[in-house]
Amino acid sequence: EAGVAQSPRYKIIEKRQSVAFWCNPISGHATLYWYQQILGQGPKLLIQFQNNGVVDDSQLPKDRFSAERLKGVDSTLKIQPAKLEDSAVYLCASSSDPGANVLTFGAGSRLTVL
Amino acid sequence: SQQGEEDPQALSIQEGENATMNCSYKTSINNLQWYRQNSGRGLVHLILIRSNERENHSGRLRVTLDTSKKSSSLLITASRAADTASYFCATGRFANNDMRFGAGTRLTVKP
Repeated sequence: EAGVAQSPRYKIIEKRQSVAFWCNPISGHATLYWYQQILGQGPKLLIQFQNNGVVDDSQLPKDRFSAERLKGVDSTLKIQPAKLEDSAVYLCASSSDPGANVLTFGAGSRLTVL
Repeated sequence: SQQGEEDPQALSIQEGENATMNCSYKTSINNLQWYRQNSGRGLVHLILIRSNERENHSGRLRVTLDTSKKSSSLLITASRAADTASYFCATGRFANNDMRFGAGTRLTVKP
């Protein structure tokens, strides 16, 4: 089975610019998560989708971050405008079982904001 | 906010020794999971324990859960140099099973 695909793997931008990350989950996985992992810290949940509906976005900085999963399959996370503190790895994960939610992670997208 | 907190933050042992990591959490949970992350890589699921279970095993891994103390422990027996990684606990709440991670334990196994 193909894994969780993410792109781009690396992105360098200047502050106040915008950036978008793409995630394609494992086929058939209804639940999709975006996490932000700052160096040396644990992953922080940004948003959780169940199919194309948002389950939890309580920790998403909505003034600059947005995410969508229009057809219940792939998803895009956008940051506009970026700040220095947004430098992190953005991890996408998916799960097929809403009861146990064992997550399969992608390799992540590393963002550097200068 | 993060849900779980791991203890210790860092652990260094010799190959062949056992490693024990602890996780404490704040709210009622549906299940608790442990993940491993090698440097610069994505997270990999190791083991899951549900809220109505007290212990679970998988190979060299043993996880325990004490819901009265809101804590869990992960034991890795007969550690290997390849076990060197960061280990994170993640908890899923009953309401929506969002999976929230702690700050992790950095394990170093010396050959």
